[in-house]
Amino acid sequence: DTGVSQNPRHKITKRGQNVTFRCDPISEHNRLYWYRQTLGQGPEFLTYFQNEAQLEKSRLLSDRFSAERPKGSFSTLEIQRTEQGDSAMYLCASSSSAGQETQYFGPGTRLLVL
Amino acid sequence: GDSVTQMEGPVTLSEEAFLTINCTYTATGYPSLFWYVQYPGEGLQLLLKATKADDKGSNKGFEATYRKETTSFHLEKGSVQVSDSAVYFCALSPLNQGGKLIFGQGTELSVKP
Repeated sequence: DTGVSQNPRHKITKRGQNVTFRCDPISEHNRLYWYRQTLGQGPEFLTYFQNEAQLEKSRLLSDRFSAERPKGSFSTLEIQRTEQGDSAMYLCASSSSAGQETQYFGPGTRLLVL
Repeated sequence: GDSVTQMEGPVTLSEEAFLTINCTYTATGYPSLFWYVQYPGEGLQLLLKATKADDKGSNKGFEATYRKETTSFHLEKGSVQVSDSAVYFCALSPLNQGGKLIFGQGTELSVKP
């Protein structure tokens, strides 16, 4: 299977701890997106990369959040000093950069902050 | 800012009924429009898309037409099946903003045999 993969699939942590999620996009895709989805809502855009460059960050992405894509392949999303309000599903998607290409989504990482 | 509004769910239909899920949007210029679907226990997947006014996207018996004059992209299917039970998300991608998606809140569809 060469789809988008995300690890871990589930994460339970205590408030104040740091967590890191990983996303492996489809190999030939140079764009990578992070979204956050809370229960009963649609996904909300957080940030995106073209190759290794982070080109846009939503105002939803507070300074406790940081994302990287060091070699233009996989990406990590780190949340420092987690809060209960960070509990959500974190989705990763990838696409090529040609026009309005389809984004392919991973299964997501479900975070629960206790 | 840009936004998407969908009709609230859940929507419950009998098999073979006609489906409409309303979607309207607010955006500058001519965004691309999408419907994504999330089946139980699965990730989001693209159902159909339209990139310019009056385009019709279609897939698996579902259709939606990009209506600039009413800023709408309503999803329709003539005869739903139990296997269509899922959450449906309308989304737009603003022009020249890197392809990011702005989603509606989702509409849950339940089809009964």
